[in-house]
Amino acid sequence: DAGVIQSPRHEVTEMGQEVTLRCKPISGHDYLFWYRQTMMRGLELLIYFNNNVPIDDSGMPEDRFSAKMPNASFSTLKIQPSEPRDSAVYFCASSLVGSPLHFGNGTRLTVT
Amino acid sequence: ILNVEQSPQSLHVQEGDSTNFTCSFPSSNFYALHWYRWETAKSPEALFVMTLNGDEKKKGRISATLNTKEGYSYLYIKGSQPEDSATYLCAFPSYNQGGKLIFGQGTELSVKP
Repeated sequence: DAGVIQSPRHEVTEMGQEVTLRCKPISGHDYLFWYRQTMMRGLELLIYFNNNVPIDDSGMPEDRFSAKMPNASFSTLKIQPSEPRDSAVYFCASSLVGSPLHFGNGTRLTVT
Repeated sequence: ILNVEQSPQSLHVQEGDSTNFTCSFPSSNFYALHWYRWETAKSPEALFVMTLNGDEKKKGRISATLNTKEGYSYLYIKGSQPEDSATYLCAFPSYNQGGKLIFGQGTELSVKP
């Protein structure tokens, strides 16, 4: 298995632009998580899905952030409009219930 | 809000030293505790998933113990090597469905040759 695949690896955009981050989980995994890494908060859970259904989005910072999982093999995290404080590394991870998380390589987002 | 605390925040040791660090978590409604290793510029990788009180797991020179009654886990590294330098994270599922994994802030280990 190729593992969790995230794209793009790096994204540089201007404030106000829409940003879409993509994730392909490991086949067969029924949980998908979006985390954000910041200096202040470490690994911060934004949202997670179980069987493609969003279960808890309480970590999504504000309405500018949205996430979808249209099928078992694809998820997106969208920021619209983006702001400089959104600059961070965004990780996607997938797992089976009770099993450890498998992380993607992350997307480094820079908003100027 | 669940709190997962790790200590120390950072640790600097010499090659060959043995070291250990702590993860504290809520002792009620325990389901599992995860340990991850996170090297700089990479993504976190799972070390252990621990579920039973008194559990001890080992992978090479790294081992971990679990006390669910008092809510702590120790991670030990025997004879640290420079390649052990990384941030070690523990994580706690917030309820027994195994979802919503809450991570501690991590212990950053630096091993000098």
